[in-house]
Amino acid sequence: GEDVEQSLFLSVREGDSSVINCTYTDSSSTYLYWYKQEPGAGLQLLTYIFSNMDMKQDQRLTVLLNKKDKHLSLRIADTQTGDSAIYFCAESFMASNTGKLIFGQGTTLQVKP
Amino acid sequence: GAVVSQHPSWVICKSGTSVKIECRSLDFQATTMFWYRQFPKQSLMLMATSNEGSKATYEQGVEKDKFLINHASLTLSTLTVTSAHPEDSSFYICSALRWGSGAVGYEQYFGPGTRLTVT
Repeated sequence: GEDVEQSLFLSVREGDSSVINCTYTDSSSTYLYWYKQEPGAGLQLLTYIFSNMDMKQDQRLTVLLNKKDKHLSLRIADTQTGDSAIYFCAESFMASNTGKLIFGQGTTLQVKP
Repeated sequence: GAVVSQHPSWVICKSGTSVKIECRSLDFQATTMFWYRQFPKQSLMLMATSNEGSKATYEQGVEKDKFLINHASLTLSTLTVTSAHPEDSSFYICSALRWGSGAVGYEQYFGPGTRLTVT
């Protein structure tokens, strides 16, 4: 079945790196995404990775994918107070081609000055 | 970039009344839109897939008679919460699929959400 899990809370100091982890169960997922949600707002796509890739870097963001362990992580370098938000990982399935996303529970990132 | 709007951004209604929430894709056509529900500090729960010109596809456990979805045009989907009760209070988020963009051939854009409070 489809299940995506994340740790619920992470607290870091400004300037440190943050690593947010996600595990999923369905190995047929095609793309894996990271979304950011600020309080009272919708979701903003941060980055995504194709399931046959191991790593993707985009400025301060690094996504690592361990397909064998079905583990996805998002590393934010030089974390800033503006990075405080809820981060969701999500997976999609090309085979279904419906655009449907399965979300994790979200990780609340707290950045202390 | 593509923009999806929702209206209203927040609404308070009395128990037993119906509330309509609109989701619009402002600068692209969307044959497929999604409606999600989010409880405080919880994930997004997909309620239904809204397809232009046809009936919505509801996820298991979602009452289709309670949450009416109409996707009458390529830029507008509406969610009507009928006979609302306090347990329907939640944050409702829509998204719209834009085909022909993104690495997978489509990209999903999210609206800002609508906060519904039923008293």
